[in-house]
Amino acid sequence: NAGVTQTPKFQVLKTGQSMTLQCAQDMNHNSMYWYRQDPGMGLRLIYYSASEGTTDKGEVPNGYNVSRLNKREFSLRLESAAPSQTSVYFCASAIGGYEQFFGPGTRLTVL
Amino acid sequence: GQQLNQSPQSMFIQEGEDVSMNCTSSSIFNTWLWYKQDPGEGPVLLIALYKAGELTSNGRLTAQFGITRKDSFLNISASIPSDVGIYFCAGQGKVGSNYKLTFGKGTLLTVNP
Repeated sequence: NAGVTQTPKFQVLKTGQSMTLQCAQDMNHNSMYWYRQDPGMGLRLIYYSASEGTTDKGEVPNGYNVSRLNKREFSLRLESAAPSQTSVYFCASAIGGYEQFFGPGTRLTVL
Repeated sequence: GQQLNQSPQSMFIQEGEDVSMNCTSSSIFNTWLWYKQDPGEGPVLLIALYKAGELTSNGRLTAQFGITRKDSFLNISASIPSDVGIYFCAGQGKVGSNYKLTFGKGTLLTVNP
């Protein structure tokens, strides 16, 4: 099992460009999550999907959209990237109320 | 929203020493989790605690779920250089029918060989 995979690992964007971060899990988990990690801020929840077909906002959703494509895949889209979105993005998955498992992260720089 | 206070923010210790870090919250959580993050990697789960008062060990790591359900601690005994990293606590609560984690800001551990 690969667990949680994320692509790309690194990305540099110019202000105003768009991109989609991809996440997939092979653990048959119902719930999937997107976090961002900034220095000294810990991990903050952007969006989550409790099950296929549902998505909900987290703590910091502004500037992002998500799609739960199927049970395995949960993507995060930046429509018009801003320097404030420079961060490390982590995807995670879980079975209901149990522990979350994280992917390796995508390091995004917006110039 | 819910917030966790994790302390200390950083620790610099000698190899072989014991380490203790903790998290407190103004809110009650159903589950406490402890993660470790190595540089350039995602967080990896160390210990999960599901019951108030529960004390759980994983090798040299011991964690406890506070009786009030508002706090947790993690101890590392006889530290080794590979213990270096950032340790995060996380409290899980139910919001409606959904489960969400709230993370502390992390404890940066440095172990001097």
